[in-house]
Amino acid sequence: TQLLEQSPQFLSIQEGENLTVYCNSSSVFSSLQWYRQEPGEGPVLLVTVVTGGEVKKLKRLTFQFGDARKDSSLHITAAQPGDTGLYLCAGETGGSEKLVFGKGTKLTVNP
Amino acid sequence: DAGITQSPRHKVTETGTPVTLRCHQTENHRYMYWYRQDPGHGLRLIHYSYGVKDTDKGEVSDGYSVSRSKTEDFLLTLESATSSQTSVYFCAIRGSGRRELFFGEGSRLTVL
Repeated sequence: TQLLEQSPQFLSIQEGENLTVYCNSSSVFSSLQWYRQEPGEGPVLLVTVVTGGEVKKLKRLTFQFGDARKDSSLHITAAQPGDTGLYLCAGETGGSEKLVFGKGTKLTVNP
Repeated sequence: DAGITQSPRHKVTETGTPVTLRCHQTENHRYMYWYRQDPGHGLRLIHYSYGVKDTDKGEVSDGYSVSRSKTEDFLLTLESATSSQTSVYFCAIRGSGRRELFFGEGSRLTVL
């Protein structure tokens, strides 16, 4: 059972464009994390959001956690080729020792 | 960078043979996880450990077993490999009271 739905699955854009990736669920999460994975490597944590409505910024990346803690979004401003990669969201339910991952969004930023 | 290594990084084997993947950490983290990653399925949890000799199943545990005899090592065993177990396997670690996972570089397994 896939608890986290990510969209879009694939995204190909030109350098300088803005984009938003979504992570949705019918379940409530105590926290939600975003990871970025490059080919041949393991995922690397970008951010963790914990509070409903929380917004975190990491340079050109803006992460938002929904008020009901069921969804999250990642917005990238002025995308660069270095942003290319697989973006994964992962949710933690209260008291669980396990993280559930979405299927990911594969982003390609063309020069 | 978190001290986590996986071995082997690449392996080709035949159907029916046993395979063991090793995850080694130098961080003394309590939690260790094995995931598999497949196109169209994302990362799926196979098994995890919350301490020495303490393990539990994930969502795709059939055909896999694990062991953790010491804090730093978490072994994933395929008793009799099948072609459906061709995948990239990732180990991850997490410290007590922490949320984030640190991943290894992955082990690519091909079962012919």
